[in-house]
Formats: sequence, C-alpha cells, structure tokens
Amino acid sequence: QSLLTQPPSVSGAPGQRVAISCTGTSSNLGADYDVHWYRQVPGKAPTLLISANNNRPSGVPDRISGSKSGTSASLAITGLQAEDEADYFCQSYDRSLSGVVFGGGTKLTVL
Amino acid sequence: EVLLVESGGGSVQSGGSLRISCAASGFTFSRYSMNWVRQAPGKGLEWISYVSSPSAMTFYADSVKGRFTASRDDAKNSLYLEMNSLRDEDTAVYYCARDVAVLRFFDHWGQGTLVSVSS
Repeated sequence: QSLLTQPPSVSGAPGQRVAISCTGTSSNLGADYDVHWYRQVPGKAPTLLISANNNRPSGVPDRISGSKSGTSASLAITGLQAEDEADYFCQSYDRSLSGVVFGGGTKLTVL
Repeated sequence: EVLLVESGGGSVQSGGSLRISCAASGFTFSRYSMNWVRQAPGKGLEWISYVSSPSAMTFYADSVKGRFTASRDDAKNSLYLEMNSLRDEDTAVYYCARDVAVLRFFDHWGQGTLVSVSS
C-alpha cells in the first residue's frame, strides 16, 4: 500500500478536462515536501511531467498543470488528446521512511 | 542529449545474484546523484536506492536493504546495482534515474533492464 494514494483510473473525452488526485500523509506532502508527477506510456520509461508541485519542464504543454495544498496534490490536464492516454504517477519524499515514495499510479483513458 | 542506458538484466534463480549497470552520457555524470527505481510487471514504481555525488553515500528502501548494493564509477560514467539473495518479488524492470538534488525528483530515466527471478 502506497503512502501516496491515487485513483486507479480516470477517463475523459477528447477536449475535456481531467484531474488526478494524490493524497499523502503528515510524513510526506503534509510535511511540506514537494510533489512531482511522471507520465508513463506502457512499455516505456517514465518521463518527468511536473516538478516541485507546479513546474513544467521544457516541452510539456501548458494545458498540463499541478497543484498542492496540505496533504493533497492534483494533476490537471485540459483539452484532452489521444496522446495523453498513459499511466501517471505522483512522487514525493517521506521523512518516516527517509526515502522517495511514489503513488500507485493512475491510468488515464481518453474515450 | 542526456542518455542513460541500463544493461545486465536477465533470468536468475531465487537466492542468486546479478549485477546491473547504467551507462550515462550527455552530461557531467560526477555532478549528479543517481537512483535506481524498479517496476514489477503490471505494478507501480518503487524507489530502491540512491547514490550521492561526489561522496557516493547510499540510501536504500527497506525492501532491498542488506541485499542490494549501489555504487558508481565516475571515471566510467557508470552506475551499478549489485543484487544478492534475490527473491521472486525482485522480478521487475530496473530503471536508473538522474536526481536533481538529494532524493528530490528524477529528470531523466533510462529505458530499463528486466530482471526475472524464478524459483
């Protein structure tokens, strides 16, 4: 069981907005550690999507955004496209484990 | 271009050992901390180890502590993971990933190498 909790799946039609939640605890997100997000297409390596809560690396479109408040974080994708279909993982640091923790992952399906 | 290429994966019997490698290029390897992250078939991501730069200080997840040893050779731009006492549950794709800071986030990942442990 992950210390960061994500819904197993979300879905949306092309053009719509979806949000993926990531719920942590007082030892990770609630301890003011940043949340980061990765996208993984099946069979490929993860790629960094959002760093430090809401920063997009070069090449990530601005229709993708992140936010964090207290023990919760969220990844939002607007103007859904077929290419957005992938698995999404949140990640942070946990002080009780003294290590990196990942959420269980959310499969995004574009209907 | 930053490139991380893992190698050395394969099939091994339960209780056996294996050493996997990660060759880095396109950046000054000695300036970056590195990590190993694994993904069991059909499962999520699991961080397993960290190797600092330049002191090569290491941290491990409890699931591999005492069995796995991570190391680096900055002269060869390479990261290693020595895996001993392998168990069925160690079966996974193993990724090396570049760290932006100390256990912060991972801005570049390799393509992964598959380790299969069977009893």
